[in-house]
Amino acid sequence: AQSVAQPEDQVNVAEGNPLTVKCTYSVSGNPYLFWYVQYPNRGLQFLLKYITGDNLVKGSYGFEAEFNKSQTSFHLKKPSALVSDSALYFCAVRDDSYNFNKFYFGSGTKLNVKP
Amino acid sequence: GAGVSQSPRYKVAKRGQDVALRCDPISGHVSLFWYQQALGQGPEFLTYFQNEAQLDKSGLPSDRFFAERPEGSVSTLKIQRTQQEDSAVYLCASSHRRGRDDEQYFGPGTRLTVT
Repeated sequence: AQSVAQPEDQVNVAEGNPLTVKCTYSVSGNPYLFWYVQYPNRGLQFLLKYITGDNLVKGSYGFEAEFNKSQTSFHLKKPSALVSDSALYFCAVRDDSYNFNKFYFGSGTKLNVKP
Repeated sequence: GAGVSQSPRYKVAKRGQDVALRCDPISGHVSLFWYQQALGQGPEFLTYFQNEAQLDKSGLPSDRFFAERPEGSVSTLKIQRTQQEDSAVYLCASSHRRGRDDEQYFGPGTRLTVT
């Protein structure tokens, strides 16, 4: 069955330091992977996606993510965190099987960036 | 341009009441999705429309939940005889095409509280 795991409920990092938010997935076909960010009282905003090609994907606001097929992971990274990056981050996956309409979301990771 | 909008933003219903939640997707977007997000969890897929056709309703938790998109634009999610376990944020998302690599654009959600 398709699923996404975000093993950390919360990540704390100091401003200026690099950050990583972890995501692992399980699909039956080839994965299509996405990261979204959610600010309070706002909808989820798309950050980046991996479909095919280069394993390192660059997205909005300086974020990037690395697809690792052998480890079935898609960790979100940023070289230098900003206080304004503090939000809730969701990893999502869909696959290329017949039921590709469904997105499967992780439970979210709260990122706290302290000044 | 305008994003995805949802109304009402907040809804309090007494147990047993019927509710209707509205979603206005981005103009011209073919695909429309409904999700249920419980507190502290990621969004869970409810149903998917391609234009006016409801192609997947496998995530609807019971026959009390019903969704429609009669003209291929605005969509309504209806919950009959609401129960306390229906309390959640209901998210609507749309995407331009129907491809599996398309990112989704989310509305701000409707927070439903059943008392």
